[in-house]
Amino acid sequence: GQQVMQIPQYQHVQEGEDFTTYCNSSTTLSNIQWYKQRPGGHPVFLIQLVKSGEVKKQKRLTFQFGEAKKNSSLHITATQTTDVGTYFCAAGYSTLTFGKGTMLLVSP
Amino acid sequence: EAQVTQNPRYLITVTGKKLTVTCSQNMNHEYMSWYRQDPGLGLRQIYYSMNVEVTDKGDVPEGYKVSRKEKRNFPLILESPSPNQTSLYFCASSTSGQAYNEKLFFGSGTQLSVL
Repeated sequence: GQQVMQIPQYQHVQEGEDFTTYCNSSTTLSNIQWYKQRPGGHPVFLIQLVKSGEVKKQKRLTFQFGEAKKNSSLHITATQTTDVGTYFCAAGYSTLTFGKGTMLLVSP
Repeated sequence: EAQVTQNPRYLITVTGKKLTVTCSQNMNHEYMSWYRQDPGLGLRQIYYSMNVEVTDKGDVPEGYKVSRKEKRNFPLILESPSPNQTSLYFCASSTSGQAYNEKLFFGSGTQLSVL
């Protein structure tokens, strides 16, 4: 399936700091999706990006799709303890392949 | 309430004892899929189904079977479980067969331990 690489694998921040996770592909993606999984929970859909250069915002979360549609990022401004979890990107054609995820830990 | 229901939530079994993890969705979704989640490896797809009677292998299908005899159910079968199948399993579904373009709804997961 479609391969997507996610970095970093893990990040620990202080509450109020910003956080960014990156998703990269060696091939052009048709679109990309982002999911969040809280500790002990299941992945929950956050957003889908389709257009080259697209930027979408959800409150403190900003999602970007690269101009070449080979990379994407999720940026969280002023993290809160409720942001703790693992963030996954996912892409594919006939089916979805997930990146390995970035685990975010936020200390109060 | 629209949901994907997996059972059981936790399962401990022994090597070689056949087991089935059930998955059911009440949203009339065409697409269903199974993933396994292991530390450091993320979510890896086992099998998926784009419609009734249509199933395809994902990235890690070895040791698993599935069936899609009716739209709402997509059971995962381990004919002879082995310890390397100890994992957290998720069932997911989406509206249409174009899974890449539709958001996935996940079940709550099944934590399987094979001794």
